[in-house]
Amino acid sequence: AQSVTQLGSHVSVSEGALVLLRCNYSSSVPPYLFWYVQYPNQGLQLLLKYTSAATLVKGINGFEAEFKKSETSFHLTKPSAHMSDAAEYFCAVSERGSYIPTFGRGTSLIVHP
Amino acid sequence: NAGVMQNPRHLVRRRGQEARLRCSPMKGHSHVYWYRQLPEEGLKFMVYLQKENIIDESGMPKERFSAEFPKEGPSILRIQQVVRGDSAAYFCAIPGTGANTGELFFGEGSRLTVL
Repeated sequence: AQSVTQLGSHVSVSEGALVLLRCNYSSSVPPYLFWYVQYPNQGLQLLLKYTSAATLVKGINGFEAEFKKSETSFHLTKPSAHMSDAAEYFCAVSERGSYIPTFGRGTSLIVHP
Repeated sequence: NAGVMQNPRHLVRRRGQEARLRCSPMKGHSHVYWYRQLPEEGLKFMVYLQKENIIDESGMPKERFSAEFPKEGPSILRIQQVVRGDSAAYFCAIPGTGANTGELFFGEGSRLTVL
């Protein structure tokens, strides 16, 4: 069975600071992994995805994530936060052959001026 | 998200009434997912549909909830005799560009409020 844990329901950073949002997963087979962003009153948009190519994945808006099999992690990072990055971020996992992704509870990113 | 249109965007119902949420994927897409987002709980899978067929409904509550995706027209998520606990955002999604990876492309959601 697949599951996702996002550590920290809220993360607060200053503008210009490093962003680190944590995601750990469990899966019985090599998974596909995703990060989505949700702005208020909108749907989810795909930020980036890992599908077994390079373990360091680059996405939109300067975000990237690294798949670490030994740690079962897929943490999301951005070197320098912008005010416009304030949103809810969701990590998701999908086992190969499942087609039904499981989402974490989400992490709200707050960016201070 | 023009690829998936959901309506209504906001719906208010009184307890005991019925709610119908519609999802129209872009032409050529024959599969849709429905997810529910409750405050502080993230997204929970409800049902995965193909036109005229339910592929997986393991996340659907046993009572009051039903979903369909007819050959013609939008997918409908129907909630009968709504209760306050049904208040949530309901999202429809279609498979994304990654073939069979679970990548999803979401609509903007329908937000149900039960008074």
